[in-house]
Amino acid sequence: DTAVSQTPKYLVTQMGNDKSIKCEQNLGHDTMYWYKQDSKKFLKIMFSYNNKELIINETVPNRFSPKSPDKAHLNLHINSLELGDSAVYFCASSQIGANYGYTFGSGTRLTVV
Amino acid sequence: GENVEQHPSTLSVQEGDSAVIKCTYSDSASNYFPWYKQELGKRPQLIIDIRSNVGEKKDQRIAVTLNKTAKHFSLHITETQPEDSAVYFCAATPGGGADGLTFGKGTHLIIQP
Repeated sequence: DTAVSQTPKYLVTQMGNDKSIKCEQNLGHDTMYWYKQDSKKFLKIMFSYNNKELIINETVPNRFSPKSPDKAHLNLHINSLELGDSAVYFCASSQIGANYGYTFGSGTRLTVV
Repeated sequence: GENVEQHPSTLSVQEGDSAVIKCTYSDSASNYFPWYKQELGKRPQLIIDIRSNVGEKKDQRIAVTLNKTAKHFSLHITETQPEDSAVYFCAATPGGGADGLTFGKGTHLIIQP
């Protein structure tokens, strides 16, 4: 039973389109995140979200927006896709203050053509 | 915000030898330091972590050391095996809130047979 699952695994789309990536966790964690891994493998946080706060990395364009219908889901919506958005996007979750680490989803490889 | 530096970017060792990867961090409030292993096309997987109230932690062939005064921490892998070949990431976070992990840029570890 997958702890953090995200769909789709692969996404190929044209410039200018709007797309969403879905993430669900069944760990009961209270905080979820989106990370972007670029072609050089650098992992950078985009958003973190729990029921109290949304923290946005100031370098993230406002074309990206997280949407959380409930505590177990954090979707990533991207407007007006650009070539530079091509990357692998990882969802993750954690329990703030707990003695265990962050768990990552399997990633979504986004290719903008 | 937090800044994590990781060295070296590539490390090649003979099978059976030891490998050491070093990281430094900037935010003295950081108190949780995990290490992740990422194989090609896979998600980052937590392999070991350490908290600021501990100086060293071991788990079989891997160990992590932390020097809070100098703001650096290291990953040690002994008796390396071919399956240790991967990209390793260090990370840091203040914890306590939804700040998420700040990652180093990764080390590509190559185990030579």
